[in-house]
Parts: sequence; C-alpha cells; structure tokens
Amino acid sequence: RKEVEQDPGPFNVPEGATVAFNCTYSNSASQSFFWYRQDCRKEPKLLMSVYSSGNEDGRFTAQLNRASQYISLLIRDSKLSDSATYLCVVNPSYNQGGKLIFGQGTELSVKP
Amino acid sequence: GAVVSQHPSRVICKSGTSVKIECRSLDFQATTMFWYRQFPKQSLMLMATSNEGSKATYEQGVEKDKFLINHASLTLSTLTVTSAHPEDSSFYICSAEKDWRQYFGPGTRLLVL
Repeated sequence: RKEVEQDPGPFNVPEGATVAFNCTYSNSASQSFFWYRQDCRKEPKLLMSVYSSGNEDGRFTAQLNRASQYISLLIRDSKLSDSATYLCVVNPSYNQGGKLIFGQGTELSVKP
Repeated sequence: GAVVSQHPSRVICKSGTSVKIECRSLDFQATTMFWYRQFPKQSLMLMATSNEGSKATYEQGVEKDKFLINHASLTLSTLTVTSAHPEDSSFYICSAEKDWRQYFGPGTRLLVL
C-alpha cells in the first residue's frame, strides 16, 4: 500500500465549478499535512497546510480526519488558472521539519 | 524570502557520463536539503536527505554510490549522477529547509541518451 494515495484524475470541470480532492495516508503517526500545487514541468509550490480543525484560504478549504487518515481539498468557483496537479503531502515524523511523502497527485483541468 | 535555485535546468548527456546538479539556497542558510526525483505521471520520490558537514541519508533502494551527494556549505548541495543510463532520465528537484518548511528549487530535467 502506498504511504499517500490520491485519485490521479484527471478531473475536467467547467469554470465556476466546485471540485473536491481526496487523499488517504497509511502512517497513523503522521503529524503534518499539506496540499501542494504543481504546474506542468515545474516544481511543487505549497498551497496550504492542513490543520485538524479544518482551514480555509479564500476559495480553498482543507479538511483532516485523523481517525480515517483522510485529507481533502475543496476548491470553490474554479478558475482557469486553477488547472494544475494537486499533491497531497504528509510529514510522517513527530518532529517538525524532515522528509515529506508525496502522493502521486490529482490532475485538474478547468475549462472555459 | 526563501529562494532556492538549481543548475542546470536541463541537461542532455550520453550514457555512461556523470552529471552534477547544484542546489543553492540564495537568501538563507540551510543545514538540511533534500533531493527528490519525479518520473512522468508519478509523485516526487525522496532520494536522500543532505546534511551540511555530514554524510547524506539515502532512502531505501537509492544507490549511494551512484547518486553522490555533497553538502559542503550551508548554501550548496550537489547531486552527481555517476555513469548515467537512460533509466536515470527524470526530473530531479531539490529543496532546502528553513524554519521547518521546505522550499523547492525549480528542478533539473535530465535526459540520458
């Protein structure tokens, strides 16, 4: 079983749509969770951290369910510029910092 | 800010040659840097953790004699792919750690013919 699993997609949605991505992780001791965005042939960029209480940043909402070892990302009012691959990322360590485990990414394509 | 650069951005080489990739933290010092590899349509896979002044820690399945890592200063880590083969063709990305967060370089695309 992969340490971090995501639906690879692609998700093809019209502008303005709401889209949700799911992710599961296998290491119950994991402490830190993130969503990254990766554009084609570029490095990943941090989109947002994911907190236990859930958190929102504009059109983006992240949720964490530790009991189910499940993370989600909701994008509301999709824009063309949201087209990218979204990576679910987990830090499996108790320590801050340290290595990150990446999911394979979910590809999103927003169409006009 | 926290800017990380990589050089070269792209390299094409013949099978059997060695290729060195540099990762620099431009505006901060990084005790720890990480090297990842990403094949098409796959996730970033951590290859090794590079610590300034000490030996790198390699992930399971990564050959330390093939992928040589040197972290001689707080702003520079290098990855040398020795005797590269076509199966080593990939996107190599480094990151540098600052305040418990990783900042990624723009990546190096390696093509081995």
